Amino acid sequence: DGGITQSPKYLFRKEGQNVTLSCEQNLNHDAMYWYRQDPGQGLRLIYYSQIVNDFQKGDIAEGYSVSREKKESFPLTVTSAQKNPTAFYLCASSITGYNYGYTFGSGTRLTVV
Amino acid sequence: DAKTTQPPSMDCAEGRAANLPCNHSTISGNEYVYWYRQIHSQGPQYIIHGLKNNETNEMASLIITEDRKSSTLILPHATLRDTAVYYCIVREGGGSNYKLTFGKGTLLTVNP
Repeated sequence: DGGITQSPKYLFRKEGQNVTLSCEQNLNHDAMYWYRQDPGQGLRLIYYSQIVNDFQKGDIAEGYSVSREKKESFPLTVTSAQKNPTAFYLCASSITGYNYGYTFGSGTRLTVV
Repeated sequence: DAKTTQPPSMDCAEGRAANLPCNHSTISGNEYVYWYRQIHSQGPQYIIHGLKNNETNEMASLIITEDRKSSTLILPHATLRDTAVYYCIVREGGGSNYKLTFGKGTLLTVNP
């Protein structure tokens, strides 16, 4: 079955450490996105990519980095520069050029201690 | 993209229709209305979208007013599993901007 896989589901890291969240899709979608969600809040866009080897900052990119070396993969690195990294992180993908919706992964809950 | 306004919470009895309103008074002519829902601690799920005509699929119906300034998502026979946060989003169709902006949505609680 086609879909988006985020791993791991839960992640614990010590303060000051970089951590990379995985996002893989086999839907052949061109565009991929990373969102952050805090308790009781909506989703905020971190980074997005519409094509391999290209990506753009979203609304809250500071302290995060991404790469898009393959169409299927869009990993997100939470760096030590991110002041409040504890959150629920969601990856999504979509077809570009059409009015289709996003397909979301099941999310990674990151806790920094 | 135009902003949307949704009530923070709503209740519905199981088996009854759930009608979730959304105001988007500044919507422009080429912006679509999208609805997603998010069950606790899961990724959002696409429900339906439309431009000006009413739309129906296996999950829900979308009613857009003639002036397009508001819309209603209808779940015809709500079940307990429909308890979730429902997001209404407007976004320009096509072009190079495919970003979706999610607000806080409406928490729908379906009661037995």
